[in-house]
Amino acid sequence: NAGVTQTPKFQVLKTGQSMTLQCAQDMNHNSMYWYRQDPGMGLRLIYYSASEGTTDKGEVPNGYNVSRLNKREFSLRLESAAPSQTSVYFCASGRDRGPYEQYFGPGTRLTVT
Amino acid sequence: GENVEQHPSTLSVQEGDSAVIKCTYSDSASNYFPWYKQELGKGPQLIIDIRSNVGEKKDQRIAVTLNKTAKHFSLHITETQPEDSAVYFCAASIGAAGFGNEKLTFGTGTRLTIIP
Repeated sequence: NAGVTQTPKFQVLKTGQSMTLQCAQDMNHNSMYWYRQDPGMGLRLIYYSASEGTTDKGEVPNGYNVSRLNKREFSLRLESAAPSQTSVYFCASGRDRGPYEQYFGPGTRLTVT
Repeated sequence: GENVEQHPSTLSVQEGDSAVIKCTYSDSASNYFPWYKQELGKGPQLIIDIRSNVGEKKDQRIAVTLNKTAKHFSLHITETQPEDSAVYFCAASIGAAGFGNEKLTFGTGTRLTIIP
């Protein structure tokens, strides 16, 4: 079991460029999440998907779009990157029935110049 | 929405001593309180969690206590070891009972350093 995998591990973008962060899980979880982590601010939810075919906004969705491609994969897209989106991005997944644990991927460190 | 405050932001303790990290939450409807440990360069990993119908939970050297009236919960690590050095996050959730796709609100993290 690989758990939650994310690609790429590192990325540098210029302002205005676009990119997609990929996430996949092999635990047959229904729920998937995208978070960003900034110094001194903990983890903030960007978008989540409670099941295949559904997505909902989290706390900080502006500037991002998501696609729940199938049960395994949940991608995050930055259409026009801005320096404020420099962050570490984590994908997570969880079962839809207790015990509520979320399993996190290793993260993608994104720098926008 | 829910707001979670976490203190302290940094904590250094001698190896073998105890460490305590505290969190407060704002929404009395919150019913699930996990603690995550994040090691350098890795994603957070659940170490212990507690539900609102329980006041305390223990797992070997780690314990969590919950005071619903005061809306605060704490992580206690006893007999600390060098491998306990990491960033710890508390979180709170207002998920519907029986459904696991909780939206978690995280605290801002505590960097714990164990001094050998």
